[in-house]
This record gives sequence, structure tokens and C-alpha cells, in this order.
Amino acid sequence: NAGVTQTPKFRVLKTGQSMTLLCAQDMNHEYMYWYRQDPGMGLRLIHYSVGEGTTAKGEVPDGYNVSRLKKQNFLLGLESAAPSQTSVYFCASSYGRLSGANVLTFGAGSRLTVL
Amino acid sequence: DQQVKQNSPSLSVQEGRISILNCDYTNSMFDYFLWYKKYPAEGPTFLISISSIKDKNEDGRFTVFLNKSAKHLSLHIVPSQPGDSAVYFCAANLPGGGNNRKLIWGLGTSLAVNP
Repeated sequence: NAGVTQTPKFRVLKTGQSMTLLCAQDMNHEYMYWYRQDPGMGLRLIHYSVGEGTTAKGEVPDGYNVSRLKKQNFLLGLESAAPSQTSVYFCASSYGRLSGANVLTFGAGSRLTVL
Repeated sequence: DQQVKQNSPSLSVQEGRISILNCDYTNSMFDYFLWYKKYPAEGPTFLISISSIKDKNEDGRFTVFLNKSAKHLSLHIVPSQPGDSAVYFCAANLPGGGNNRKLIWGLGTSLAVNP
């Protein structure tokens, strides 16, 4: 049982290049999330999805796009990378039940450097 | 305005002693509070949660206490072990379904347990 898998784990980009981070979960979770973590900033929500075919903006969505074409996959795209997008990116998923604690399962992270 | 605050960026404790990590919040609508642990180069992992209608939840060496009147919760680790050295995130759950169901994160406290 792999849980949440992120690819790639590391990537170096030049300013202006585009790329896609892939997240896959095998727990049949409804909700999926993309976060970024920067020193002193904690975890900031970029975009999230409450079900297949749906996406919504989080706290810091600018410069990113997402797609959830299949329930198990959530893609994060950078259209034109900027140095400010140098960060560690975490994907997470959860059942998203209406009651109870909304426990997120995280992937191991993808470290992106934009030069 | 940060709704979940972890005012201590770091904490150092001797092995075998108690570690107390604190978290304050401002929104009385939160229905669950969660603690996550994060090791370097890994994703956060869920540790323990507490419902807003409880004042204590215990799981092995980990106990979370909630003081609703003070809008304060704390995570106690007894006894502390070197393997507990990690960043601990406090998160609060907003109830509801769909786009309303979110986790609000603190900035984290880095715990160092010294042998």
C-alpha cells in the first residue's frame, strides 16, 4: 500500500520553464491537496480538490494550475517558473468526511529549485 | 491574520523528560484539532487529534489537552525520546463539507530531544 506518491522528488528548472508535479494516491480518498513549505512559513495551501473533476484555489494559487481528471491523481502545473516558486511541495489526500477529524495523508515531498 | 499560532519556533528537552508543545487558536468554529509530526525530507505524518467537545485525548506517550475557554491546546510527550526530534505542526479543522472543509495550520515547533 503506497499511500501518496509524488513524482519527481527533485527538479531544477530555469526561470520561464514549465513543469508538472504528479501526485497519486491509492486510498480512494475524495479530497486532494497541494501545499508548499518554505522556511518560517509553515504549510501553505496552493490548490485543492474535493472530488474528481473539481478544483479550488487555496491561499497561494497564483502561478500554479491543477487538474483532477482521475480520482487518484492530482497534477500541479507551473506554467512559467519563477525563483519565488523554489520550495518543497507536498501533496496530501483525505476522505473528506462531513464529520470527524479530516486527517490528511501526505506524500514525501518534491523539492523544486528555480534558477 | 493567523488563526492557529504556535508561538515557540523551537524547543529543546532532555531525553526521558516531558515535552510540551503549545498551540493557540482564534476561531471558535474549529471542531477538531490535529497534531502532525514532520521529519526532515519527509512529509508530515498524523500523530493525534482531539474533538472540540473533549478536553483530553491520549495515545501511548502522546496526550493532547484542550482548553476551550482559553482557546489553547498542548501536546505532551512523556517520556521524550531522541526519535521524537522533529517539527510538530498544530492544525485546526473547519467543519462542513465541500470547499468549507479545511485544515488551518500553525507554523510548527521544532523539537530537539537530547540524549
